[in-house]
Parts: sequence; structure tokens; C-alpha cells
Amino acid sequence: QSVLTQPPSASGTPGQRVTISCSGSSSNIGSNTVNWYQQLPGTAPKLLIYSNNQRPSGVPDRFSGSKSGTSASLAISGLQSEDEADYYCAAWDDSLNGHYVFGTGTKVTVL
Amino acid sequence: QVQLVESGGGLVKPGGSLRLSCAASGFTFSDYYMSWIRQAPGKGLEWVSYISSSGSTIYYADSVKGRFTISRDNAKNSLYLQMNSLRAEDTAVYYCARGVAAADDAFDIWGQGTMVTVSS
Repeated sequence: QSVLTQPPSASGTPGQRVTISCSGSSSNIGSNTVNWYQQLPGTAPKLLIYSNNQRPSGVPDRFSGSKSGTSASLAISGLQSEDEADYYCAAWDDSLNGHYVFGTGTKVTVL
Repeated sequence: QVQLVESGGGLVKPGGSLRLSCAASGFTFSDYYMSWIRQAPGKGLEWVSYISSSGSTIYYADSVKGRFTISRDNAKNSLYLQMNSLRAEDTAVYYCARGVAAADDAFDIWGQGTMVTVSS
């Protein structure tokens, strides 16, 4: 069961900005950095954001992450059709002795 | 190129066993910690297990503790997951993933996944 809560869905038209929230607790997001993963339909997840707001090489700067307290968010600006995917936040959890926890996932639809 | 390739999935009866493998290539496998992560059909991601680069530190999700065993062979660039006493709720695609300390312990490389179906 996920301990990080995300909205089940989000949507926007091409070019719009979409934001996804991720709510956790003091033992996970409050104590550790947040990562975001993108999962395109039928494919394996891909690291999108690490260390709250860092993009791996090759990830467009349309994707940005932020964290405040026990919550984090992912923003997609200039939404494109290829951004239609599932997005998961994740963090290590200090209360669970080495456990990594994922968010519930958000399906982004490009209208 | 940097790559992880899982194998060993299949159909198994409840109570049965299965051993998954993950072959790494394109990087120095022994420098990285690894994890198994699974995804039940139509569901979200669930972290299953972690093993340090040397294999000396291991963690499991509560849902698999006592039934699954993670291991690695750095000489063979391979990661394993021995799954015993399988249950229907273990049905999922199983991914192996590389952890990167320099990226604050994110998983930067994932395999394509191998499907495990537990059914009678």
C-alpha cells in the first residue's frame, strides 16, 4: 500500500501547465529527497526528477520538481501529447527501515 | 549501452516458487545497489527489495519478507529474486532497477520487466 498520496488524474490541453501533488509524512518526504518517475503506456518507468528538482540528462526542462515540508509537486509546462503517461513520486522512508515508497500515481491526459 | 534485462517470469501455482534474474551490462555492476520493484496489472508501483553493492545489506517490503530472497553475483553481473510461497497477490510485472547514490538514491536505470502470474 502506498504511503505517498497523489491525485488519480490530471489533464490539460497542449501548451498548458499541469501540476501534480504528492503528499507524504515526516518520515519520508519530510526527511528525504523526492524522485519522480514517468511511465509511458506499456513501458518501464523512467526517472524524471531526482533530488526534489534535478533532471537527469535528456529530460526536457519542461519538467520541474519542488518540495516543501512533507509535500512535493511535479510541474509540466508546455504540455505535449507525448507527456500523456502515469507519473509517480517516490522517496525513502526512515520509519520503515530501508523501505522505498511510491506514490499512488497520477494519470496525465492531454486533451 | 547501459542495460538491465530481466528473465525467469512465468505462470506458477499458489504456494509455488520462481527465481527471477536480472542481467546487467554497460556499467560496473558491483558499484551500484539494486532493487526489485513490481507492478500488479493495472496498479501502481511497489518496491519489493533492496541489496547493497556488496550484498551485505538487504531490505524487504513487509509484503514479501520471509518469502522472497534477493541476492547478487557481482562476478556474473547478475541480480536475483528467489520467490517462495507465492500468492495470487504476487502477480505482477517485476522490474529490476539500479540505484544511484549520486542521485540521492533514485533508480535511474530500469529493466523491461518480467511477468509473474500466480494462479491455479
